[in-house]
Amino acid sequence: EAQVTQNPRYLITVTGKKLTVTCSQNMNHEYMSWYRQDPGLGLRQIYYSMNVEVTDKGDVPEGYKVSRKEKRNFPLILESPSPNQTSLYFCASSSTGIEQPQHFGDGTRLSIL
Amino acid sequence: DQQVKQNSPSLSVQEGRISILNCDYTNSMFDYFLWYKKYPAEGPTFLISISSIKDKNEDGRFTVFLNKSAKHLSLHIVPSQPGDSAVYFCAASDRGSTLGRLYFGRGTQLTVWP
Repeated sequence: EAQVTQNPRYLITVTGKKLTVTCSQNMNHEYMSWYRQDPGLGLRQIYYSMNVEVTDKGDVPEGYKVSRKEKRNFPLILESPSPNQTSLYFCASSSTGIEQPQHFGDGTRLSIL
Repeated sequence: DQQVKQNSPSLSVQEGRISILNCDYTNSMFDYFLWYKKYPAEGPTFLISISSIKDKNEDGRFTVFLNKSAKHLSLHIVPSQPGDSAVYFCAASDRGSTLGRLYFGRGTQLTVWP
């Protein structure tokens, strides 16, 4: 089954404790992207990757890092999480870019205390 | 400053009637537009898209209209069904400048009642 898998689905942690949210897709997609969803703000793009070793900033990259060492994986790293990064995070992928329908994961709810 | 605006946070429509969801944008360089639908506890799913060289695109019950001069697009759902109740996000991209960037609106909660 074609899917985008995010882990963990839920996480409660404390300020400053480094965490990684993993994202993996099994569709051999070149394009991957991270978004956060906040009440009243909709979806905002954090980072995206057009292909392996190619990443770029979205709307709200501050406080986040990403890497794309292999096509299937696109982890989101919060090196020193803060409470304003409490949010619902989505990873997505598409074959070549935003013109193709993006497949989204089911989301990761992060709470930073 | 938000470049894609969905000014109606919610819309309520009776089953069988038409639902019209609106979206405005400020960046005249946007040349590709998409609609995504989101149910609670799930990721968004792609609905329909339109390129700026067109003014209309249809897919079954869903039609998107683009008015470039007004920087406005709308999504029509006819007829509306209870299963269409979801949050709808409008998104836009300037493919000539940044191929992978996508700007979303804040979403409109559509409720279709029987």
